[in-house]
Amino acid sequence: AQSVTQPDIHITVSEGASLELRCNYSYGATPYLFWYVQSPGQGLQLLLKYFSGDTLVQGIKGFEAEFKRSQSSFNLRKPSVHWSDAAEYFCAVAPDTGRRALTFGSGTRLQVQP
Amino acid sequence: GAVVSQHPSRVICKSGTSVKIECRSLDFQATTMFWYRQFPKKSLMLMATSNEGSKATYEQGVEKDKFLINHASLTLSTLTVTSAHPEDSSFYICSARDIGNRGTDTQYFGPGTRLTVL
Repeated sequence: AQSVTQPDIHITVSEGASLELRCNYSYGATPYLFWYVQSPGQGLQLLLKYFSGDTLVQGIKGFEAEFKRSQSSFNLRKPSVHWSDAAEYFCAVAPDTGRRALTFGSGTRLQVQP
Repeated sequence: GAVVSQHPSRVICKSGTSVKIECRSLDFQATTMFWYRQFPKKSLMLMATSNEGSKATYEQGVEKDKFLINHASLTLSTLTVTSAHPEDSSFYICSARDIGNRGTDTQYFGPGTRLTVL
């Protein structure tokens, strides 16, 4: 079975600073990898996904993520954080076969200081 | 991206009553939808997989008779919480799997339903 670890429960950055959110996964083959963002009381919005090909993936809102097979990681980055980026971020993994049910990490709450 | 709606967004009910939550894929057909439950400040836990035209697949520990799932069409899945109790209070989120012509295979999420059982 697959699993996802987001080691940082809570991160605070200053507006304009760079951001990196960590995600490590466990899966026997190459999984499908996702980052979602959730604003308070809202559902999840897909930021980006990796299925295959280029290991550096560009997403919406200026986010990118890099798949590193050797490290079983899929870290999310943004060069300059905006106050509106404050939210909960979830990394998720799905198997490359079958019904593709998602397994989520525990989430990282991002706070942005002015 | 694709759009998934949920209705209602918020519901308050008395203990012992049943509540139905609808999940619709608005601009694509979804043979597979998923239902998640999210506790405060926690991650999403998969409850069940809703399959169009067949029985739902429930995750271990989820009571089938309590959480009834029906996937009657390619754009609609419903979750009915039967004989609700206060411990069923939670944020329920659905997602719909878009396989589609774009060659992607992605789940799109509804905005969630906040259920409060008094």
